[in-house]
Formats: sequence, C-alpha cells, structure tokens
Amino acid sequence: QKEVEQNSGPLSVPEGAIASLNCTYSDRGSQSFFWYRQYSGKSPELIMFIYSNGDKEDGRFTAQLNKASQYVSLLIRDSQPSDSATYLCAVKAYGGSQGNLIFGKGTKLSVKP
Amino acid sequence: GAGVSQSPRYKVAKRGQDVALRCDPISGHVSLFWYQQALGQGPEFLTYFQNEAQLDKSGLPSDRFFAERPEGSVSTLKIQRTQQEDSAVYLCASSLAGAQPQHFGDGTRLSIL
Repeated sequence: QKEVEQNSGPLSVPEGAIASLNCTYSDRGSQSFFWYRQYSGKSPELIMFIYSNGDKEDGRFTAQLNKASQYVSLLIRDSQPSDSATYLCAVKAYGGSQGNLIFGKGTKLSVKP
Repeated sequence: GAGVSQSPRYKVAKRGQDVALRCDPISGHVSLFWYQQALGQGPEFLTYFQNEAQLDKSGLPSDRFFAERPEGSVSTLKIQRTQQEDSAVYLCASSLAGAQPQHFGDGTRLSIL
C-alpha cells in the first residue's frame, strides 16, 4: 500500500514567519511530487511541483526533495494570512498508473496577523 | 473558461437514486482523472482516462460506480443505487499528459440522504 504521510496540524505561524510543511512517502520508486493548496470548500490548487533532488524556488515558495530519505517539504517565506489553508502533498508513483496521484491528508496552516 | 469545469456544484439525492456528475477538462488536455474527497481527507483516486480510453479504474469503490469519456473530452461519473457512504466531494482533474501536473475543477459536493 503506497502511502503519503503529513502532519495534520494545525500549524500556526505568525505573519511574516517561515512556514515549514513536511511530507514523507512510502514508495521509493516515486518520481514526481506536488504541493496543492486547498482553501475550505474549494478545490486543490497546484502551487509547486518537483521532480529532482534538491530545492526548487518559486516566489515565496520553496519545495525541497530528498529521495534517499523519501521526504519532501514546502517552505513558505514571509507567510501571509491569505496563506491560511490546507496544504496537500501528492506523489505520483513510477510504474503504476500513468497519472494518478496519491495524496496525504493535508496539513492545515494558520497564519496569525 | 480556461479551467476544469464540473457540474453540478452541489447534488442532493435520496439513497437508491442514480446520479451523474459531469467534467469538462481544460481544452487540449489528454488525461482526465476522477478523485473522491471525504471531509478532512486528501483526495483519493477513482479512475483515469487518456483520451477516450479508461486506462485505470482501480480506485472505483464498487461496481455501482461507472465513468466514461466517449469522445475524449467531457467525462461523466455515474453512481448507481447511491448509498450514504457515497457522500463526498467528487473532483475532476486534467493534465496535458499523464505525467504532467494535474489541475482540478471546483468539484461536485454530493449528499445522499
């Protein structure tokens, strides 16, 4: 059973701080990793994807991947109250269905003004 | 519109009724996915299409669930003889190809009374 694990939170950070969200996955053959943001009652919105070990930066967001440790993280710099949402980590397995994602349960982030 | 469109946004049905949920993917997207999201959980994969071919239906929970994409664009997820446990948000996502990032529609919130 392929699994993706996230701390459900809530993770509370003050405005302007760095929020760090973590995710581990069980399938060592996983190749593609995605972070989605989901506001309450809304659909998941893609914010980052990463395929190679290391860091990938996009604006205030940095995704970090360590395949040896089966670990992927998302850093949000200068957190804003509008970043308050549930963040879903998703993994696409190599060799399985060509497309389906395996999601974690999500980490709820709260940014306090 | 430019995004994935789902209808209806909300559906209430009595136990035992049949329902049909529609997904109109982003134009040109070859791959289409259906997910089920229960409250407080991450989305769970149901089925995957590449053009009109259903390549993976391993996530469909029972033979009451049926999906089609006859012309390789719009897809319909049908649930027969609905049960209370079918109550969830049904999300549709599309991507340019199976390995590319998936973009989600707003979902259909299904409530079975």
